[in-house]
Amino acid sequence: GAVVSQHPSRVICKSGTSVKIECRSLDFQATTMFWYRQFPKQSLMLMATSNEGSKATYEQGVEKDKFLINHASLTLSTLTVTSAHPEDSSFYICSARRLAQPQHFGDGTRLSIL
Amino acid sequence: EDQVTQSPEALRLQEGESSSLNCSYTVSGLRGLFWYRQDPGKGPEFLFTLYSAGEEKEKERLKATLTKKESFLHITAPKPEDSATYLCAVQETASGSRLTFGEGTQLTVNP
Repeated sequence: GAVVSQHPSRVICKSGTSVKIECRSLDFQATTMFWYRQFPKQSLMLMATSNEGSKATYEQGVEKDKFLINHASLTLSTLTVTSAHPEDSSFYICSARRLAQPQHFGDGTRLSIL
Repeated sequence: EDQVTQSPEALRLQEGESSSLNCSYTVSGLRGLFWYRQDPGKGPEFLFTLYSAGEEKEKERLKATLTKKESFLHITAPKPEDSATYLCAVQETASGSRLTFGEGTQLTVNP
């Protein structure tokens, strides 16, 4: 149990494009979903926390208008990188958790902006 | 501010050579300490949660222990398939469900 699916696994697009990444909990209802960013050989940096039906809570330094998060249901959260630029290239990972359970992670999305 | 420090940064072992990874943490109140395994290009895979000093958890060749200041991940007789980056994360009582991750230990087990 506790499977989290993330799609797409890899995106390559031109500068200025907006990119949407989906995160689904396949076999459980997630009370909370999280979005992380990971640079090569570094650890995970939390970007935002989202609860179903409410606005996401962003970490300090993360631009809300750049990284739009929607959490419309207990099994789906989306991250949209708006007007992406090369410096937004990174590995984005989502996680989901039920109450009092550990976070389970998706397999990440490699975003490359040309 | 939460601090999580993992050591060593990288560790090379021969198959069958047991060792331990360390995770030192500084939090005002620990709700839980988590160990994850991450393979290249993948998301972290959950291994263990520890909640209080003295607690131990085991899974196959892995055993996690917890004190008030640190956690150890002991690897007994490792195999090449145990090669991965092992991440430690803490959840503080005042931080809701947020996790603060360490930088990880990259483990390589040679056959």
